[in-house]
Amino acid sequence: ETGVTQTPRHLVMGMTNKKSLKCEQHLGHNAMYWYKQSAKKPLELMFVYNFKEQTENNSVPSRFSPECPNSSHLFLHLHTLQPEDSALYLCASSQEITAGLAQNTDTQYFGPGTRLTVL
Amino acid sequence: GQNIDQPTEMTATEGAIVQINCTYQTSGFNGLFWYQQHAGEAPTFLSYNVLDGLEEKGRFSSFLSRSKGYSYLLLKELQMKDSASYLCAVSQAGTALIFGKGTTLSVSS
Repeated sequence: ETGVTQTPRHLVMGMTNKKSLKCEQHLGHNAMYWYKQSAKKPLELMFVYNFKEQTENNSVPSRFSPECPNSSHLFLHLHTLQPEDSALYLCASSQEITAGLAQNTDTQYFGPGTRLTVL
Repeated sequence: GQNIDQPTEMTATEGAIVQINCTYQTSGFNGLFWYQQHAGEAPTFLSYNVLDGLEEKGRFSSFLSRSKGYSYLLLKELQMKDSASYLCAVSQAGTALIFGKGTTLSVSS
C-alpha cells in the first residue's frame, strides 16, 4: 500500500460511453499525475497538477479530461474513447515538484492503476 | 530532445549480481530515480541519485555519473521475487519525471 488508491481497478467500456477514473492520495501531497502505460511502451505522462493547478498536458486528446478538485483527489473523465486507448492508467502523487535539485519530495508514489479496455 | 535508454530484457540466476544500465540525454537534469514494477502492478520507488557516486540500500545500489549521462542499478544476491521491470526516470527542473521504457529482469533458479 503506497497511500494512493484508484477506482475502479478494471473498466470495460464501449466507444460511446462516458466514464470517470478516480484517484485519491492519503499522503498529504500537493502534486498529482496521470500516466498511461500500454503494453511494451514506456510510461506516458498525461497530466500534472501541482497545488490543484494543471501544469502539464502532454498533447493528450480532448477525449481525456482531467479534474483536480483538491490536492487529495484527481479524476480522469473519459468519453468517446478509441480501442487504442486500452491501457493501464496510473495515478501518482508527490510532495511537490521542486525547481532545483531533485529531493525526496519529488519521489512519486503510484496507485495500483485502472486496467481500461475499450471495445 | 529527451532520450532515456535501457536494455529491454536481462536474465540472471538466483544469488547472482546484475547491473542494469541507463543512459540519458535531457535538456536539463536534476536527478535520477529508479523504480521497480512487477507485472500487473504499479511502479514502486527504489532509489534516487542527485550527485555523482553510489547510493547503497541493502541489496540494491544505484550509481550516477552526471558528466557521462549514465546510471546503473546494481542488484546483489538475486532472489526470484526480483523478477520485474526496472524503470529509470530522470527529473528535470520544475517538471514531472521522464521515464525510460524499463528493463525486464528474469531471475531463474
